[in-house]
Amino acid sequence: GENVEQHPSTLSVQEGDSAVIKCTYSDSASNYFPWYKQELGKRPQLIIDIRSNVGEKKDQRIAVTLNKTAKHFSLHITETQPEDSAVYFCAASRGRGSTLGRLYFGRGTQLTVWP
Amino acid sequence: DVKVTQSSRYLVKRTGEKVFLECVQDMDHENMFWYRQDPGLGLRLIYFSYDVKMKEKGDIPEGYSVSREKKERFSLILESASTNQTSMYLCASSLGGPLYEQYFGPGTRLTVT
Repeated sequence: GENVEQHPSTLSVQEGDSAVIKCTYSDSASNYFPWYKQELGKRPQLIIDIRSNVGEKKDQRIAVTLNKTAKHFSLHITETQPEDSAVYFCAASRGRGSTLGRLYFGRGTQLTVWP
Repeated sequence: DVKVTQSSRYLVKRTGEKVFLECVQDMDHENMFWYRQDPGLGLRLIYFSYDVKMKEKGDIPEGYSVSREKKERFSLILESASTNQTSMYLCASSLGGPLYEQYFGPGTRLTVT
């Protein structure tokens, strides 16, 4: 099955700096890569996703890049703010077959933004 | 707005008890999922269902079973609770197909003593 690895497990940055979280995946058939954010005590929520026919996607201060050849994708947060502090999960999905709808999650990155 | 609800936010059970965790979604989603969340281990899939009465094992199904008799409801059953099943349990749902957002419930913090 798919194996998603996520690094780093913890990340501390100063407010205003950039943060980058990296994930690798093993299954070359994976074609959908979402990122979820989980604030303390709350449920995970989708913040951005990318599909395999796209190399980069941006939404205001967050962006995701995908390198299918190297099988890795990254989340970039610019001009970080204290409210960006949360656990971020990357995920991958094969898209077809008996695992319809199933996501394979990384272990998460605890991002702390210091004011 | 999609709403996914779970029957309890906090639950305390004794070792050996049968435990039912229920999840209900109100958006007619085909797919439903049960995850377990432990510090440092992320979101681990226990079981998922892509249709009524259909189920598939995830990565850690041992000690758990599920039931989906109606499209909107997905139950997780611990047949005989053990202390190593103390954890946060999250339910999620999504539209059918592989490329749709999963909507999570608020979670149930289960403690087995």
